[in-house]
Amino acid sequence: GQQLNQSPQSMFIQEGEDVSMNCTSSSIFNTWLWYKQDPGEGPVLLIALYKAGELTSNGRLTAQFGITRKDSFLNISASIPSDVGIYFCAGQTPTGANNLFFGTGTRLTVIP
Amino acid sequence: DAGVIQSPRHEVTEMGQEVTLRCKPISGHDYLFWYRQTMMRGLELLIYFNNNVPIDDSGMPEDRFSAKMPNASFSTLKIQPSEPRDSAVYFCASSFFTYEQYFGPGTRLTVT
Repeated sequence: GQQLNQSPQSMFIQEGEDVSMNCTSSSIFNTWLWYKQDPGEGPVLLIALYKAGELTSNGRLTAQFGITRKDSFLNISASIPSDVGIYFCAGQTPTGANNLFFGTGTRLTVIP
Repeated sequence: DAGVIQSPRHEVTEMGQEVTLRCKPISGHDYLFWYRQTMMRGLELLIYFNNNVPIDDSGMPEDRFSAKMPNASFSTLKIQPSEPRDSAVYFCASSFFTYEQYFGPGTRLTVT
């Protein structure tokens, strides 16, 4: 299957700091999505991106669909303790299939 | 609106026993996905359905795994016989037309 590389694998930040994480692929994707997973719960959809270069915000979260279509970025501004969790990127390939390929996740810890 | 519903939330069983996981997708969604999540392998797509028809089951690990979707509001994932290596969290997700998948809370399966 497709390999999605997320970095960093984990982050420890102070409350109030901004966070950046990214996801790269060796293949192009038509769609990029970002999910957050809390312990013991399923992933929750944060942002969906459908066009190369698209920049979309959801509150303090901003995500971008890379121009090359092989990467995507997620930024969180002014982090708060409830931002703690694992963030996954997911992508859909140009094959027309509806399945998503998921990255390995970035584990975020926010220190109050 | 109710999200994706999964049952049971936790299942502990002995090796060799049959296990059945259940999922009710979001009403009106026409795609249903079954995933398995482990620390070692992350989120893996097992199978997905469109309008109750299995589209891609290439992720199903072996013949011990089977999935059905008898109608638009119910799906099952069955493991028979179960083995300790099947221990994982199993997620069901659904979507409507787009690639934005919505996940259930998961079933944590432990096979002893």
